Amino acid sequence: QVPLQGSGPGLVKPSETLSLTCIVSGGSMNSVYWSWIRQPPGKELQWIAYIDNRGSITYNPSLKSRVTISVDTSKNQFSLTLSSVTAADTAVYYCARDPGAPVHAVDIWGQGTMVTVSS
Amino acid sequence: EIVLTQSPVTLSLSPGERATLSCRASQSVSSYLAWYQQKPGQAPRILIFDASNRATGIPARFSGSGSGTDFTLTISGLEPQDSAVYYCQHRSNWPPVSTFGPGTKVDIK
Repeated sequence: QVPLQGSGPGLVKPSETLSLTCIVSGGSMNSVYWSWIRQPPGKELQWIAYIDNRGSITYNPSLKSRVTISVDTSKNQFSLTLSSVTAADTAVYYCARDPGAPVHAVDIWGQGTMVTVSS
Repeated sequence: EIVLTQSPVTLSLSPGERATLSCRASQSVSSYLAWYQQKPGQAPRILIFDASNRATGIPARFSGSGSGTDFTLTISGLEPQDSAVYYCQHRSNWPPVSTFGPGTKVDIK
């Protein structure tokens, strides 16, 4: 197992930038995809972005203009920033691991970080 | 952009019965379809990957089938702890892009 521990502020003001970090405990960060996924209260899951250890990134087109994802393998962590937040960005943010082929799915999820956007 | 549709929205069944959940894709996703179980206050848990492969530790009463645009998750012999929301997900092979379905809530009466 490769436990994931997400962290970040629980409250962000509208128009500001949300920043989250996920620590990968144990195991290698190589040859897998690291991902951020969010879930507004009472709603469905929404994929945000993938990054691999080489820094290759794919974004959800609906969020791409506001999202930055990065990886630091020396610190065993990856991060998410979401700019110009609004109340619609209020959600539980999950960091997650997708091991790549042949799984093509998330096999490990972090515990989730609740982020509220409010003044 | 691929859109996933799940039906029914809610399923209410008794212990021991069989649940049949559907996930339909707006275009072919080959077999790149996964199923997750999410209980209140918890992160999702993977059940099935690549349409029909059970993830490690998942009981045999969970099974997946389908390819192309139509997929099914079957839960045989429902148990009370199977009460949850079930999501399907497509993750394309390359470049990796993902989308989730809206979920099916399963209530065990």
